[in-house]
Amino acid sequence: GENVEQHPSTLSVQEGDSAVIKCTYSDSASNYFPWYKQELGKRPQLIIDIRSNVGEKKDQRIAVTLNKTAKHFSLHITETQPEDSAVYFCAASRSGVTGGGNKLTFGTGTQLKVEL
Amino acid sequence: DTEVTQTPKHLVMGMTNKKSLKCEQHMGHRAMYWYKQKAKKPPELMFVYSYEKLSINESVPSRFSPECPNSSLLNLHLHALQPEDSALYLCASSQENRGTEAFFGQGTRLTVV
Repeated sequence: GENVEQHPSTLSVQEGDSAVIKCTYSDSASNYFPWYKQELGKRPQLIIDIRSNVGEKKDQRIAVTLNKTAKHFSLHITETQPEDSAVYFCAASRSGVTGGGNKLTFGTGTQLKVEL
Repeated sequence: DTEVTQTPKHLVMGMTNKKSLKCEQHMGHRAMYWYKQKAKKPPELMFVYSYEKLSINESVPSRFSPECPNSSLLNLHLHALQPEDSALYLCASSQENRGTEAFFGQGTRLTVV
C-alpha cells in the first residue's frame, strides 16, 4: 500500500519568514495530493491540493509543488503569520477506482509554530 | 452547505457499553469515511463507504461496526471497546470520483473507561 513520509516533524519560523514542508510517497499510481491544516482541537481542513497532471499550484501565500519522477511534493508558505501556527498533514491517494472512494494516506504531520 | 456534522462531540463509555457515533452531510457526496486519530498522530482510515456500500475495511476490529443507512448518514456502532480505542473519531465525505476534496467533520472525542 501507499506510504507517505513527511519532514520536518516540527518547524519554528519568525513571522514573515517562509516555511517549507516536504513529503515523499511510495505508490507511483497515486494521483491526488492534498494538504490539510489542523488547529488544536479542530477538524483537518484542506488548504491546497494538486493533481498528478500539474507540477505547481499557488493560492495567495500558499503553494504546492509536485515532482512525479522523484515522488515528492512540498508545501510552501510565504510571509507566515501567527495564525498559520497549526499541524499540517500531507496526503496521497489513488482515487478514481470504481467503488473505492478517495482513500487518503496521510503523512505524519508537521507542527508549525510562527513566532512573533 | 459544506458541513459534515458529527454527534456527539464528546463521549465517555465503559468497556461493556454499546454506543453509536453519527455523521451527516448534505453535499450530495456518495463517498463517506471513518477515520481514527490519536493525539499528535495523523488520521488513520478505518472504513470507506461508496454509494452506501462498504468498499474498504482497513482490518478494523469487529467491536467497531459501520453502517450507512442512506446517502447522507453514516454511523459507527461501538461495543466492548478497550481503553486504547480512546481517540478522536473523524467522519469525512467526498465526491465519488477522481481526486476530490474530502470534507471532515469536527470529530467525536471518545474516552473508554
